[in-house]
Amino acid sequence: EAQVTQNPRYLITVTGKKLTVTCSQNMNHEYMSWYRQDPGLGLRQIYYSMNVEVTDKGDVPEGYKVSRKEKRNFPLILESPSPNQTSLYFCASSHDRATNEKLFFGSGTQLSVL
Amino acid sequence: AQKVTQAQTEISVVEKEDVTLDCVYETRDTTYYLFWYKQPPSGELVFLIRRNSFDEQNEISGRYSWNFQKSTSSFNFTITASQVVDSAVYFCAPEGTGRRALTFGSGTRLQVQP
Repeated sequence: EAQVTQNPRYLITVTGKKLTVTCSQNMNHEYMSWYRQDPGLGLRQIYYSMNVEVTDKGDVPEGYKVSRKEKRNFPLILESPSPNQTSLYFCASSHDRATNEKLFFGSGTQLSVL
Repeated sequence: AQKVTQAQTEISVVEKEDVTLDCVYETRDTTYYLFWYKQPPSGELVFLIRRNSFDEQNEISGRYSWNFQKSTSSFNFTITASQVVDSAVYFCAPEGTGRRALTFGSGTRLQVQP
């Protein structure tokens, strides 16, 4: 089954404790992206990757890191999480962004930073 | 850059009523795409439609229909004979052709009462 898999589904952590949210897709998509969803703000893009070893900042990249060492994986790293990073996070992938193909989203990761 | 306004924060209807969700967007791109996504209570994001700015024909898919008015920069979504399973948050998202991020509106929460 074609899918984007995020883990974990829920995560509670404390300020300053490094964490990684994993994202993997099995559709051989070149494009992957991370969004965060906050009440009243919709979804905002954090980082995206057009291909392996190519990553770029989205609208809200501060406090986040990403890497794209393999085509299928695009982990989101919070080196020193803070309470304002409490949010619902979505990973997404797409076959071809040059023609604005639709995004496939993961199930989301609800992160709480205490 | 894109901007999108979903002025209806929350709509409540009774089952079998028709309901229209409004979406007004702003873009400087001469060509662009428009998307609608659905987020049911389970939290995942479900793709509904992708429309190219060149194609101004309305589209119907079962009980769903979309009205694209380029002159007023609107891409409204109508659900005919609503059902309880339609209860969700609906997001409108424009994107310039070849750009790397959808701009999501703040969403409209639709509650369909039995």
